[in-house]
Amino acid sequence: EADIYQTPRYLVIGTGKKITLECSQTMGHDKMYWYQQDPGMELHLIHYSYGVNSTEKGDLSSESTVSRIRTEHFPLTLESARPSHTSQYLCASSDMGESSGGAKNIQYFGAGTRLSVL
Amino acid sequence: SQKIEQNSEALNIQEGKTATLTCNYTNYSPAYLQWYRQDPGRGPVFLLLIRENEKEKRKERLKVTFDTTLKQSLFHITASQPADSATYLCALNSGYALNFGKGTSLLVTP
Repeated sequence: EADIYQTPRYLVIGTGKKITLECSQTMGHDKMYWYQQDPGMELHLIHYSYGVNSTEKGDLSSESTVSRIRTEHFPLTLESARPSHTSQYLCASSDMGESSGGAKNIQYFGAGTRLSVL
Repeated sequence: SQKIEQNSEALNIQEGKTATLTCNYTNYSPAYLQWYRQDPGRGPVFLLLIRENEKEKRKERLKVTFDTTLKQSLFHITASQPADSATYLCALNSGYALNFGKGTSLLVTP
């Protein structure tokens, strides 16, 4: 069982609200990711981080922002939520080192946050 | 960019049979390819990884093959069980992250 946690699991909010989706992992992984996934569709990378104070935008443009002040914590913030932000948001982390058998980028996912913006 | 194609139609099979799922990709062959399982409303769970120089990898009832000439990976579940019902995602490395396919939904009926 992966030790990566996302809260809340479900969130229904009104347009214009500021929200923060929380993601924490206890595995000491350097790399963390945020994906967006709509029903029946593939995961799209929206943000990633190589470590503390490192954040990068992913392939899918997103109005959200992220921060990485601590290794274990990678929150995602939407300053002003809109109905177009309605989706499932998945956080993941990966171990790039030899402890994963020398394999790179095996990712461990949280259970996700399902966001609905009315 | 890499395009990944997985069977868009759901695969329905009877318990005890072997399920075979396909992952095709375009462009370059990745250094490795991964398979994940995703249950409804949950995050994907890693199952198997296969490297470009490996033809086949097994883990219990799971088997993955990787053909870089065909640009294809096959994922097999032998002696399938209803508990194997889920969506299975293929993922390829793309430098800093993974590219995921849309997944194939598998339903195993008793």
